[in-house]
Amino acid sequence: NAGVTQTPKFQVLKTGQSMTLQCAQDMNHNSMYWYRQDPGMGLRLIYYSASEGTTDKGEVPNGYNVSRLNKREFSLRLESAAPSQTSVYFCASSDVGGPDTQYFGPGTRLTVL
Amino acid sequence: GDSVTQMEGPVTLSEEAFLTINCTYTATGYPSLFWYVQYPGEGLQLLLKATKADDKGSNKGFEATYRKETTSFHLEKGSVQVSDSAVYFCALSSNTGNQFYFGTGTSLTVIP
Repeated sequence: NAGVTQTPKFQVLKTGQSMTLQCAQDMNHNSMYWYRQDPGMGLRLIYYSASEGTTDKGEVPNGYNVSRLNKREFSLRLESAAPSQTSVYFCASSDVGGPDTQYFGPGTRLTVL
Repeated sequence: GDSVTQMEGPVTLSEEAFLTINCTYTATGYPSLFWYVQYPGEGLQLLLKATKADDKGSNKGFEATYRKETTSFHLEKGSVQVSDSAVYFCALSSNTGNQFYFGTGTSLTVIP
C-alpha cells in the first residue's frame, strides 16, 4: 500500500496562475482532507470530504476549490494564486469520517511569487 | 468552538532527559485526542491516541493520558533520543468526527 500520495512535491507559481494539487489514497477511506501548514500556525483545514460526492469548507477555504473525483482522489485547485497561498499543503484521509486516525501524505511545498 | 493549545517551542533537551509537552483542549462532548509527529521533510504520522477519559495512549516510549477534569493530554517520554528530534502536534477530533483541530506544533531538538 502506498497510503496517501500527493503530486507535485514542489511547485513555484507566479501571482495569478492556476494549478491543481492532486491527492490519492489506496486505503479505501471515506473521508479526505486538505490542510495548509504555515510557520507558527500549525495545520489549518481548507476543505474536507466526508464521503464521495460531498465536500465542505474548513477553516480557511477562500481562494481554493476542491473536487472529490471518486473515493480515491481529492484534488485542490488554486484558480488565481496569491503570495498569501505560499505554504506547505497536506492531504489526509481517514475511515468512516468518525473519530479515527488521519493518515497524511508527504506534502506539496508551494511558492507563489 | 473546538480548539487545541500546546506549549510553545522550540524545546532543546540533552539525550536521556525527560520530556513533557503540554496540551490542553476545548471541546463540547467527548472528543478523541491525538499526538502526531512530523520528521523533517515528511508528513505527519500518528504517534498515539486516546478516545475516552482516563485512557492512556503509548508508543515508542511516549505516553499521554486523557484527563477530562483538566482538559489535558500532555505528552511525556522518560528518556529522549536524538532520533526523537521532530515537531510534535496535539490534535482533537470533534464529536462528529468530521474535523480535526491541530495545535501549532512544538519543535523538539535532542542534542547528544
